[in-house]
Amino acid sequence: ETGVTQTPRHLVMGMTNKKSLKCEQHLGHNAMYWYKQSAKKPLELMFVYNFKEQTENNSVPSRFSPECPNSSHLFLHLHTLQPEDSALYLCASSQEGAAGNEAFFGQGTRLTVV
Amino acid sequence: RKEVEQDPGPFNVPEGATVAFNCTYSNSASQSFFWYRQDCRKEPKLLMSVYSSGNEDGRFTAQLNRASQYISLLIRDSKLSDSATYLCVVTSYYSNYQLIWGAGTKLIIKP
Repeated sequence: ETGVTQTPRHLVMGMTNKKSLKCEQHLGHNAMYWYKQSAKKPLELMFVYNFKEQTENNSVPSRFSPECPNSSHLFLHLHTLQPEDSALYLCASSQEGAAGNEAFFGQGTRLTVV
Repeated sequence: RKEVEQDPGPFNVPEGATVAFNCTYSNSASQSFFWYRQDCRKEPKLLMSVYSSGNEDGRFTAQLNRASQYISLLIRDSKLSDSATYLCVVTSYYSNYQLIWGAGTKLIIKP
């Protein structure tokens, strides 16, 4: 069983749709993250959850809504997205608060907004 | 100025050659440094941590220069399978060890 799993792997949605991305980690980590990766840009941190509490929200538009029901699961709810939101969305987990904390990533969801 | 800067490349290198690239960081309080590797259309994976004294893992050598605020990655005897984007990552106690990412350097190894 892989450490961090994301579903779906690919998603095409219209601008009026509502969809959710799911992430699950089996590593016992206390922090989970959503990142956005657009072509030729650095990974952009969107949200951080530490012990299920949201600790970061980096000015992400409200059309992205995270949910963390427990320390192993993380969702990203999407609604009324724009074409510029098309990107690779990566979930990651780590043991936060410790130096040298490695981030483990899921395989990502490649999102296309049409 | 970006917090973490990398030359985007691509670096086109013949198989068997040695290649090196750097990453500069702006926060002098940065404490932990990493190189991640990302294959095309895949997720990033940790390649190696970078220690103050420098460290080596097989054909890969990482160095840290605190005075000039950069880290480097050297790849010897490059293989076709080394083709990937190499991401520099920096953290500090003051950011609660949140990972700050560079945009990556693309490496293409040619036969």
